[in-house]
Amino acid sequence: EPEVTQTPSHQVTQMGQEVILRCVPISNHLYFYWYRQILGQKVEFLVSFYNNEISEKSEIFDDQFSVERPDGSNFTLKIRSTKLEDSAMYFCASSPSTDTQYFGPGTRLTVL
Amino acid sequence: GESVGLHLPTLSVQEGDNSIINCAYSNSASDYFIWYKQESGKGPQFIIDIRSNMDKRQGQRVTVLLNKTVKHLSLQIAATQPGDSAVYFCAENNRAGGSYIPTFGRGTSLIVHP
Repeated sequence: EPEVTQTPSHQVTQMGQEVILRCVPISNHLYFYWYRQILGQKVEFLVSFYNNEISEKSEIFDDQFSVERPDGSNFTLKIRSTKLEDSAMYFCASSPSTDTQYFGPGTRLTVL
Repeated sequence: GESVGLHLPTLSVQEGDNSIINCAYSNSASDYFIWYKQESGKGPQFIIDIRSNMDKRQGQRVTVLLNKTVKHLSLQIAATQPGDSAVYFCAENNRAGGSYIPTFGRGTSLIVHP
């Protein structure tokens, strides 16, 4: 069964550094999403992406964040200057339509 | 039970029992609801969904009930198994633009004792 994959599984970075989290969505899916989950808290929507552009974004997704689909398979989330409070699990999801989303295993980001 | 935004409750059951996990949602305009299962160290896994024009939907060993009057969802798991142990959370969805944007609850931790 096709799955969403994410790399790396764990990223450790220094505050102020840039990080890029990578996702490979399921191949025939058209909608892509990023979420984050701070330890012990609920999953929070960051951004949705369709037709090579952002379709929706939350208040969390400020100018420090950006997304890109650099080729036909990857979907990336970039955080330009990481803060301590960016430490969280980041989940990528994809869907063939606007409904059911399939989540990847997540990248644990630790900002020191 | 769970309410979007409250502390994570825990439900302990014996293997073979039926489990009922509850969720209260906040937005009466939400028209699409999903239950997810999240095992430790993994991403959320879709279990079952329901639209607001329905009040019940059944899957394999799972049933979701929707009561729009009181803005309440429940997930029933029949014959609970140790592999069902996980955090379960509901997501209410509002269509913003072209796609649904989910609002997640914090979840209920289900512990199944063999």
